[in-house]
Parts: sequence; structure tokens; C-alpha cells
Amino acid sequence: QVQLQESGPGLVKPSETLSLTCAVSGYSIGSGYFWGWIRQPPGKGLEWIGSIFHSGSTYYNPSLKSRLSMSVDTSKNQFSLRLNSVTAADTAVYFCARRGYCTGGSCFWGYFHHWGQGTLVTVSS
Amino acid sequence: AIQLTQSPSSLSASVGDRVTITCRASQGISSALAWYQQKPGKAPKLLIYDASSLESGVPSRFSGSGSGTDFTLTISSLQPEDFATYYCQQFNSFPPPITFGQGTRLEIK
Repeated sequence: QVQLQESGPGLVKPSETLSLTCAVSGYSIGSGYFWGWIRQPPGKGLEWIGSIFHSGSTYYNPSLKSRLSMSVDTSKNQFSLRLNSVTAADTAVYFCARRGYCTGGSCFWGYFHHWGQGTLVTVSS
Repeated sequence: AIQLTQSPSSLSASVGDRVTITCRASQGISSALAWYQQKPGKAPKLLIYDASSLESGVPSRFSGSGSGTDFTLTISSLQPEDFATYYCQQFNSFPPPITFGQGTRLEIK
């Protein structure tokens, strides 16, 4: 059973860098699929942040691209997010998720089938 | 970027009711749409992918339909555990962006 678990600081100061890690169990990241981040400001909807393929290729939300970097560490079976120059608008619950699913010879690449429980990151001085 | 508009934004219904939620895309996305259910304090849960495919383990009272720009999620007979917020999500282009609808809150009448 695939499980994902986010970790990182719950409080970040404005203008600093938000760093989160997602540890994966039950599946080897290096075997395939996309690994991504989605966030949800308090009381609001979902926003896709970006995805990284197991090979390291990245795909970012254009609205965040200039501040964002993602990486994957197959030796630790985890992937990470760094968002710099944060403001209060970056306060949100951050979810990590696996995007993609293959069954019966067919693969579906666009949907998030497995999610972490989410971690609240507050940007405040 | 492709915009998704859900309607209604909120909905009150009773146990046993049949409920339909609509998601409209700003341009055609073939069948590249998913539906998620989210309960307070929890991660979203995938219900339907590729517009009409039921995710493993999801009750058959959930169904999805549509293609192009108009999609629906139907719950055939509401159960107490179905009261939650529902989101649609599109994936039409590669590379993404991926976008979500604004959500539909389903409440008990």
C-alpha cells in the first residue's frame, strides 16, 4: 500500500524559504510515476504546485515557477519542495501526492491516486 | 490555463437523495477529468478519473459522465458519509498545468 508523509517546519518567516519533504513507503519512487505537491489555503480550494517525474524532470505551476524548485532522492525514497520568498499568501496546508496509475496495460497520468495527510505551513513573523 | 467552474458552489440534500454536481471547462479537455471528495481536515480522495472510471474501492453509487467541456458527478443515493466538499480536476495538456474547480460543498438538509 502506497503511503506518503509530509514533513517540514510549520512556521516560516516572510521572505524566507519554505522547505518540505515527502517520504514514500510501499512503492519505490525510482520505479516510475509522477510525484507532486498541491496546496490548500485555509478555508479555500486546491491549487496544484508542481510535479516531478522519477527521473527528475519537473513541471511547475506557471504562477509559482519563478520561486519553486522540486527534487527527488531515490536513495531515501523521498521528494522535496522548496518555495522561496514566501509571503502570507503562501500559508496553506501542503499535500504531497502520487500522480499516475497503471492497470491492465493502460496508464492514466493525470490524476492523484495517493495523497499524504497534509501539513500546515504558516508564513508569519 | 484551462479554468474549471463547478456548480452549484454549495448544496443541501437529504440522505437517500440523488445529487448531481456539474463541472464546466473553459475549453475542451476530452475526458481528462477527475472528481475528488474531501472531508474536513483530510486529504482529498479520488473518486472518478478519466471522467467516468470509478477508482478502486469507491462505492458504485458514485458515477461520472461527460466529455469536452461539460461533466457531471452523480451520487445516486446519498449516505451520511457522503457529506463533504467535492472538487473536479482537469489534465488535458502535457506538460501541465493541472487545475481544480473551486469546489462544491454538500451539506445535510
